[in-house]
Amino acid sequence: GAVVSQHPSWVICKSGTSVKIECRSLDFQATTMFWYRQFPKQSLMLMATSNEGSKATYEQGVEKDKFLINHASLTLSTLTVTSAHPEDSSFYICSAPKAGETQQFFGPGTRLTVL
Amino acid sequence: GIQVEQSPPDLILQEGANSTLRCNFSDSVNNLQWFHQNPWGQLINLFYIPSGTKQNGRLSATTVATERYSLLYISSSQTTDSGVYFCAVEVSNSGYALNFGKGTSLLVTP
Repeated sequence: GAVVSQHPSWVICKSGTSVKIECRSLDFQATTMFWYRQFPKQSLMLMATSNEGSKATYEQGVEKDKFLINHASLTLSTLTVTSAHPEDSSFYICSAPKAGETQQFFGPGTRLTVL
Repeated sequence: GIQVEQSPPDLILQEGANSTLRCNFSDSVNNLQWFHQNPWGQLINLFYIPSGTKQNGRLSATTVATERYSLLYISSSQTTDSGVYFCAVEVSNSGYALNFGKGTSLLVTP
């Protein structure tokens, strides 16, 4: 299978600061990556689709100015939570499809806690 | 959008017991995957199974696409099987984005 990593695995920040989360495909190139959010004891909800070389597409209700996505290369997508607030505390997970494979591969997730 | 419903929402088993988890979906799908989310949050791919039957050790899965449901069987359960099991389907026009069910939380007791 393919490997997707995320960094950091967890982060604690003060309210009002910005936090950047990286998602990397380690052994394949990914023109598309997906960002999901999971609140405690809930399911994963798709936030946005990250497209290499073009703007991300956001799901309804997700603020694009608050959750900045940059797909700078074929192996890296970043999610920046700007001016984070306690309600942004969540588990953020990225995924990427690999060409020639039918299943998706998920990163280990990043747990964000905003104080 | 497509609806994905999982049942039961919670399940408690004694070690050694068998169980069946169900996933119903409301429309045709290109992709269906079963995941196990461990206590640290990592999603572990169990099966990619848009149709048919697959087995991997004590786990097996069956998807009947024409009737829009999938089943995950866990036999001889172990405490390490505890966690949340998610079914996720690919919405056909979304380019591989997955739509997750709410999961089944499984606790296997010694």
